[in-house]
Amino acid sequence: DQQVKQNSPSLSVQEGRISILNCDYTNSMFDYFLWYKKYPAEGPTFLISISSIKDKNEDGRFTVFLNKSAKHLSLHIVPSQPGDSAVYFCAASAQGAQKLVFGQGTRLTINP
Amino acid sequence: EAGVAQSPRYKIIEKRQSVAFWCNPISGHATLYWYQQILGQGPKLLIQFQNNGVVDDSQLPKDRFSAERLKGVDSTLKIQPAKLEDSAVYLCASSPRVYGEAFFGQGTRLTVV
Repeated sequence: DQQVKQNSPSLSVQEGRISILNCDYTNSMFDYFLWYKKYPAEGPTFLISISSIKDKNEDGRFTVFLNKSAKHLSLHIVPSQPGDSAVYFCAASAQGAQKLVFGQGTRLTINP
Repeated sequence: EAGVAQSPRYKIIEKRQSVAFWCNPISGHATLYWYQQILGQGPKLLIQFQNNGVVDDSQLPKDRFSAERLKGVDSTLKIQPAKLEDSAVYLCASSPRVYGEAFFGQGTRLTVV
């Protein structure tokens, strides 16, 4: 039962362009969503989050958009930089359940 | 601020042997998690502690996995006996709240041969 899905295993983007990573969820009880970034041999690092009362949250080059009716969120990175090359995980939680449920991850490669 | 500390970083054991992992969370964080990440998949929660009490262990294979959190600080995760399918990275994370973002350690990569 995959409640959080990232359907693109990999994404390749040219440096300076926009990277868009997508995530879909099925559990309507989820009300808090997060993006994590993971480099090889390191643990996931928190990147940005959004509450279900918002539809957009921005932090520097990173913006997360939430479409509750479609049960879809996306992470936009602009402009993309070589250091952004990593695996990105989408995660969700419901206030009652507390735990984070992760997607499978998308490997982002930024090409010079 | 020191991050989440985990040891060992790597472990190779034979099947049916036992193994233990240690985690020291960020100081003051009441919530502690153990996640299992199999290659090519996202992290999956094994157990969640709030202080030294268990909040969620619904996905912990209790016939072989056990975990404890001593005095609401450090935690150990044990596997006995190990199976080949236990090969994964075991991630410890902590959070200052019961809800919201968690901060992860570097993980322990376990290989069962």
